[in-house]
Amino acid sequence: AQRVTQPEKLLSVFKGAPVELKCNYSYSGSPELFWYVQYSRQRLQLLLRHISRESIKGFTADLNKGETSFHLKKPFAQEEDSAMYYCALSGAGSYQLTFGKGTKLSVIP
Amino acid sequence: EPEVTQTPSHQVTQMGQEVILRCVPISNHLYFYWYRQILGQKVEFLVSFYNNEISEKSEIFDDQFSVERPDGSNFTLKIRSTKLEDSAMYFCASSTGLAFGELFFGEGSRLTVL
Repeated sequence: AQRVTQPEKLLSVFKGAPVELKCNYSYSGSPELFWYVQYSRQRLQLLLRHISRESIKGFTADLNKGETSFHLKKPFAQEEDSAMYYCALSGAGSYQLTFGKGTKLSVIP
Repeated sequence: EPEVTQTPSHQVTQMGQEVILRCVPISNHLYFYWYRQILGQKVEFLVSFYNNEISEKSEIFDDQFSVERPDGSNFTLKIRSTKLEDSAMYFCASSTGLAFGELFFGEGSRLTVL
């Protein structure tokens, strides 16, 4: 069975401080990992996926297969980063996404 | 920018009643999905739909649930006989299938079963 764990329900950081949102996963094969974000009063949207190895809005995430982690990082938090962040996993050959419970990021001005 | 639209935004129903939630996916998308989120819990996959048939479904998606694309634009989720535990936010999503894992979500339909 595949599972995604986001240990922090809420993370508060000051503007300009580094951010790390943790995500651990459990999956027997080679997963595809994603971060989705939901800003206040907006819909859930894709932030980034590990396969693209891209930086979006200053965020990066590295897949660590040894630690089965896919933590989301940003060196300097901005107020507009305040949102709900969901880590998600998809197994090989599947379009089904398994989501974590989400972490609410609050950036304090 | 094209968006997935869902109606109704909120529906209240009595236990045992049938409910139909409607979605209009983005027009050139080929894959359609329903997810749900019970208050305080994870977003959970229900079903995916491609080429006019179900491609995957979860354990949650039992015989009480059905999906269809009746007219080539709408994508509906029907719950035949609602239970209290069906109360949740239901999200429709669509994707092209080209950018793997990039789903475009609607704003959700909140279902309250009394």
